[in-house]
Amino acid sequence: DIQMTQSPSSLSASVGASVTMTCRASQSVTNFLNWYQQKPGKAPELLIYFTSKLQSGVPSRFSGSGSGTDFTLTISNLQPEDFATYFCQQSYRTPYTFGQGTKLEIK
Amino acid sequence: QVQLAESGGGLVEPGGSLRLSCEVSGVTFSDHYMTWIRQAPGKGLEWVSYMNSRGDTVDYADSVKGRFTISRDNARASLFLQMNSLGVEDTALYYCARSHEYGGVDYWGQGTLVTVSS
Repeated sequence: DIQMTQSPSSLSASVGASVTMTCRASQSVTNFLNWYQQKPGKAPELLIYFTSKLQSGVPSRFSGSGSGTDFTLTISNLQPEDFATYFCQQSYRTPYTFGQGTKLEIK
Repeated sequence: QVQLAESGGGLVEPGGSLRLSCEVSGVTFSDHYMTWIRQAPGKGLEWVSYMNSRGDTVDYADSVKGRFTISRDNARASLFLQMNSLGVEDTALYYCARSHEYGGVDYWGQGTLVTVSS
C-alpha cells in the first residue's frame, strides 16, 4: 500500500496569515492527490483534486501543488472558518490511502 | 442537490455482523463509482472499499478483505456494506461517499456509527 505522511501534525496561525502544509507519498502517485477539510462533528469536504484542481465552490485562497511524491496545500488570507483538520489522499492506486491529518488551529 | 444517507450502524459484539446501507438522491446513481470510508473515534480517515458503477469491479482495504462485502442496487440508488467477523478495531463512523472521476470522493453522507464491543 502507498503510505501518506502529512506534516506538521498540527500548526497554529492567525486570521489573515498564510499557511502551507505538506503531504508525502511513499511512492509516486503522479498527480492523483486530493485534499479534504474536516470540521469537528462533520463529514470531510473535498477541497482540491488531482493536486491542484479546486473543487466547485471552494474559495480561491486554497491552492495545491506538487507531483510525484511531494505535495503542498497552501491557504492564504486565513479566515475563521478555515480552522479545521486537513487530510490528503492518494487516488493513484487502491487502497486510496489517506494521510493522518494536519490540524490547523487559531493562534 | 446530492444527498447520501447511511443507516444500519449500531452496537454489535465481537464476531458479529452488520449490514450498512446508503441511499443516494439528487444524482444518477448508476453513473457513479461509490466508496465506503471509515473514521475511528478521534482518528483519521481510512478508505474501506469501492465499487464501480455497474457493480462488477470492487476493491477493499487489506484490513477488511475477506470480511466485508460491498454491493449496490442501482434500481434503488443504494449502496451496501456487509460486515462480518467484526472486531473492536472496526469501531468507527462509516461514511458512504460518491467517487470523483479522479478517484477521490466529492460527496459524503453524515456517517453511521458502528461500535464493536462486548
